[in-house]
Amino acid sequence: DAGVIQSPRHEVTEMGQEVTLRCKPISGHDYLFWYRQTMMRGLELLIYFNNNVPIDDSGMPEDRFSAKMPNASFSTLKIQPSEPRDSAVYFCASRGGPEPQHFGDGTRLSIL
Amino acid sequence: GEDVEQSLFLSVREGDSSVINCTYTDSSSTYLYWYKQEPGAGLQLLTYIFSNMDMKQDQRLTVLLNKKDKHLSLRIADTQTGDSAIYFCAERESWGKLQFGAGTQVVVTP
Repeated sequence: DAGVIQSPRHEVTEMGQEVTLRCKPISGHDYLFWYRQTMMRGLELLIYFNNNVPIDDSGMPEDRFSAKMPNASFSTLKIQPSEPRDSAVYFCASRGGPEPQHFGDGTRLSIL
Repeated sequence: GEDVEQSLFLSVREGDSSVINCTYTDSSSTYLYWYKQEPGAGLQLLTYIFSNMDMKQDQRLTVLLNKKDKHLSLRIADTQTGDSAIYFCAERESWGKLQFGAGTQVVVTP
């Protein structure tokens, strides 16, 4: 299995620009999670989906953040407009039923 | 929310055993996990233990669970340089959400 695939691996953009992060979960997994990792706050759960439906978005920091899952094999996390404090590593993870979560390699985002 | 606590740093000599400790607070957690993160990579699932078990062994890894004290540990036997990484403990909350600790940086010295 290819595992959870995230793109891009690295993104550098200027403040105010729209950023789109992409994730392809493991085939057959019905849960998808978006996390943010920073030195200051560690790993934070932003939002998660079950069968493409957002279940809990209480971790999304602001209205500038939005996430969608149009189908079982694709999800996006958008930041618009981006700010320097959004700089972090963003991880996507997926899970099938009660099994453990499997993580992608992350997108390292830098907002200048 | 619930807190998961870990020591932040562990230095160990190559060939020795490493023990990473973790405490959690949610007594209803069903599963507890150990993940490993190498530089520039995502979190790799190492092992996990169901809450009705007190020990699980998988090759060089041994997980011990003390439910009474809400204490979880990961022992790595014969630690190698490739074991240098950050190790995260996580408890599974309701709806399958994971609560992670801050991670323990393990440095293996020759």
